[in-house]
Amino acid sequence: GEDVEQSLFLSVREGDSSVINCTYTDSSSTYLYWYKQEPGAGLQLLTYIFSNMDMKQDQRLTVLLNKKDKHLSLRIADTQTGDSAIYFCAESISGDKIIFGKGTRLHILP
Amino acid sequence: DADVTQTPRNRITKTGKRIMLECSQTKGHDRMYWYRQDPGLGLRLIYYSFDVKDINKGEISDGYSVSRQAQAKFSLSLESAIPNQTALYFCATSDLGREGTDTQYFGPGTRLTVL
Repeated sequence: GEDVEQSLFLSVREGDSSVINCTYTDSSSTYLYWYKQEPGAGLQLLTYIFSNMDMKQDQRLTVLLNKKDKHLSLRIADTQTGDSAIYFCAESISGDKIIFGKGTRLHILP
Repeated sequence: DADVTQTPRNRITKTGKRIMLECSQTKGHDRMYWYRQDPGLGLRLIYYSFDVKDINKGEISDGYSVSRQAQAKFSLSLESAIPNQTALYFCATSDLGREGTDTQYFGPGTRLTVL
């Protein structure tokens, strides 16, 4: 079946790196995504990775994909207070629909 | 101007009432979706539509119906609202990109409370 799992909460000190992890079950995923939801707003795409890649870097964001273990991670370097949000992992199944995880709430400690 | 708009943004209603949530988009996308978000449950897909004549049930369609009036408009109806339909509802659009990506663009959400 299709399922995307991620932990619900993560606390990180300002300036440290945040690593949000996600596992998925469907090996036919074509793309994997990270979305960010700020309080009172809808989700916005942060970044995505094609399933035949193992890493993608975009400024402070690094996405790592381990296709063998079906594990995806998002690393945010030099975490800032503005990074406080809920982060959703999602997978695209053959361009048909997107399956979202439950979201990880990132809390920034001073 | 927002590309995906939802009306109303907030609604309080009573059990048994009929409610319609509306979504409009100016992105020119064919695909539109309705999700509900509940604390600890993430996003769950209610209905989706890949073009005006196409309507598909998502994982939690019971108690909901939809209408795709035009490419730009996709409305969600609760025929007889019940308290466990209290949630945050999101509309989204997408279009298969050049690389085959299916990036979703979300509206700001409608907070619905059923008393």
